[in-house]
Amino acid sequence: DSGVTQTPKHLITATGQRVTLRCSPRSGDLSVYWYQQSLDQGLQFLIQYYNGEERAKGNILERFSAQQFPDLHSELNLSSLELGDSALYFCASSSHERDTEAFFGQGTRLTVV
Amino acid sequence: AQSVTQLGSHVSVSEGALVLLRCNYSSSVPPYLFWYVQYPNQGLQLLLKYTSAATLVKGINGFEAEFKKSETSFHLTKPSAHMSDAAEYFCAVSEGFNKFYFGSGTKLNVKP
Repeated sequence: DSGVTQTPKHLITATGQRVTLRCSPRSGDLSVYWYQQSLDQGLQFLIQYYNGEERAKGNILERFSAQQFPDLHSELNLSSLELGDSALYFCASSSHERDTEAFFGQGTRLTVV
Repeated sequence: AQSVTQLGSHVSVSEGALVLLRCNYSSSVPPYLFWYVQYPNQGLQLLLKYTSAATLVKGINGFEAEFKKSETSFHLTKPSAHMSDAAEYFCAVSEGFNKFYFGSGTKLNVKP
C-alpha cells in the first residue's frame, strides 16, 4: 500500500459528460501529480499541485482541470468527455525531498462509451 | 529542464536471459534517479532508487541499476529473466522540490 488513495477505481460514463476523480495523497506529502496512461500515448504528465497551488502543467487538455484543497486532497475534473479520454488516470504524491520517490495510487480506470 | 529517455518501447527476452533496459537523462543538477515497475492493471511501484550513495543500486526482485555520470545513464539490469518480470518499466528523475519526470516506459516481454 503506497498510502495514496484514488477513488473511484472504475468509472464508466457517456460522451459529453463530466466526471471528477479524487486523490488523497500520502500523509505529509504536499505535492500531487496527475498522470494519464493510455495504450497509444503511454504515461503522460497532466498537472502538478504543491500545497494548494498549481506548480507545473503538462499535456492537459483545456477540458480538464484540477485543484488541490486545503486538506491536500486533489480532484481532477474531466468535462465534455470523448471516447479518446478513456484511460487510466494516476495520482502520485511526493515530499519536497529530492531523494524521496513519488508514491502512486492504484489509478482510476475511466471508460467513455 | 530535466528529461528522461528510455530506448526501446518494447524489449523481449527469453526466460533466463539477461534483462537490460536503457535509461538516459539530462539534468542541470546532480540527479536522483528511480526505476518503477507497473504490472498489468496495477499502479506504479518503486523498484529501486539512486540517491548519490553507491553508483550500483540494488532493488527488489533481483534488479539492479548502475549510475554512470559520464554517460548520463541509469540502465536497469537483471542477470536472469523470470516470467514474472513481464511488466512495464519506467525510469524517472527527480529535480527536488516536488519535480518528477518520467520516461515513456519500456514493456518487457519474457518468452518461455
